[in-house]
Amino acid sequence: SAVISQKPSRDICQRGTSLTIQCQVDSQVTMMFWYRQQPGQSLTLIATANQGSEATYESGFVIDKFPISRPNLTFSTLTVSNMSPEDSSIYLCSAKAQGDTEAFFGQGTRLTVV
Amino acid sequence: DAKTTQPTSMDCAEGRAANLPCNHSTISGNEYVYWYRQIHSQGPQYIIHGLKNNETNEMASLIITEDRKSSTLILPHATLRDTAVYYCIVRVATSGTYKYIFGTGTRLKVLA
Repeated sequence: SAVISQKPSRDICQRGTSLTIQCQVDSQVTMMFWYRQQPGQSLTLIATANQGSEATYESGFVIDKFPISRPNLTFSTLTVSNMSPEDSSIYLCSAKAQGDTEAFFGQGTRLTVV
Repeated sequence: DAKTTQPTSMDCAEGRAANLPCNHSTISGNEYVYWYRQIHSQGPQYIIHGLKNNETNEMASLIITEDRKSSTLILPHATLRDTAVYYCIVRVATSGTYKYIFGTGTRLKVLA
């Protein structure tokens, strides 16, 4: 099973600024995903982070707002740009390795925008 | 994408079996059903998954109806530590990759 570390674990940010969240996996994985979990809600898939190419975004999420990088098979970043209080959520990184049947999740980044 | 529907909340007595239902009536033939749980403030934890057949592991059993339109997660002897939100998920294959689409989740409370 993959162990996923996210940084920061939490942050309080001013509106209008941007925050970059890092996701580090302890082994090479084929798939990496970013989710948003708004307070009291389920997880919503933001995008699939593709290694060496542009991320694949879900409906309602755009690259200008949530730029994603994935430079290699163990690391990805999600940036939340031009933040507003509505972006206050938990952002979770998930990954799946080639031989695994399930995806694993990080502990999440709790973001509060003031 | 297939969607799942789950009851919002359930209670279960400690030591009894917890049966958590999920409806996925629009699931396609190659889409798997996964179950995860999320204990407060933690990332989701994998429990079990299946395609057609019933599955059992050390944590739980998964019963899938013959028409695959619904499933039930069974925790055979619930403990207080099983109190969590349980998510029924459909794994969708798309463009050479997978997407894990979360349902709304069932908040299970195990009572002493």
